[in-house]
Amino acid sequence: DTAVSQTPKYLVTQMGNDKSIKCEQNLGHDTMYWYKQDSKKFLKIMFSYNNKELIINETVPNRFSPKSPDKAHLNLHINSLELGDSAVYFCASSQAGQGSHEQYFGPGTRLTVT
Amino acid sequence: GIQVEQSPPDLILQEGANSTLRCNFSDSVNNLQWFHQNPWGQLINLFYIPSGTKQNGRLSATTVATERYSLLYISSSQTTDSGVYFCAVLNDYKLSFGAGTTVTVRA
Repeated sequence: DTAVSQTPKYLVTQMGNDKSIKCEQNLGHDTMYWYKQDSKKFLKIMFSYNNKELIINETVPNRFSPKSPDKAHLNLHINSLELGDSAVYFCASSQAGQGSHEQYFGPGTRLTVT
Repeated sequence: GIQVEQSPPDLILQEGANSTLRCNFSDSVNNLQWFHQNPWGQLINLFYIPSGTKQNGRLSATTVATERYSLLYISSSQTTDSGVYFCAVLNDYKLSFGAGTTVTVRA
């Protein structure tokens, strides 16, 4: 029943490691997003894919690489993790085009880099 | 980019009180959403409100797009209303978030 799901919910890892976060939506939406929430609760967009094509790529280090195998999935891979990458990462989806564009968020993945 | 300002930054309420949260934005936007981030970190959609007024139970929201602001009303607040309330505006597919209003409702 979950509309937007993310795995894992928690991720604790050491500096220098590579990790991935997975996101899936069952809403039939054509656009998916990754947002980062920092320690001060500020939310900022990182990437957006529309029909598997990258449409938004904010100023994000190229250690972050999103991949969209199909419209229902958007994964985030992070190379060479740094302490500053510790944050909560949210996936979201919406229906663009004629749709309302209302975005729905997943439960978040809390990444802790030690 | 679009600037989104929310006020007040913090709000402490006694259970049963009413309150108004404000969101100002710096440019024309396609749409506007209000979210509640509960103490467990979940972002819950409250309203999708590009213009006009909507009500959902004890919550209501009004957006005046021509004057670039939106208001969220909480009536008869309950302890479960505690959390952070975010306003976010949509432009070119991107949601730009305000810094949030942290609401604490005391029993």
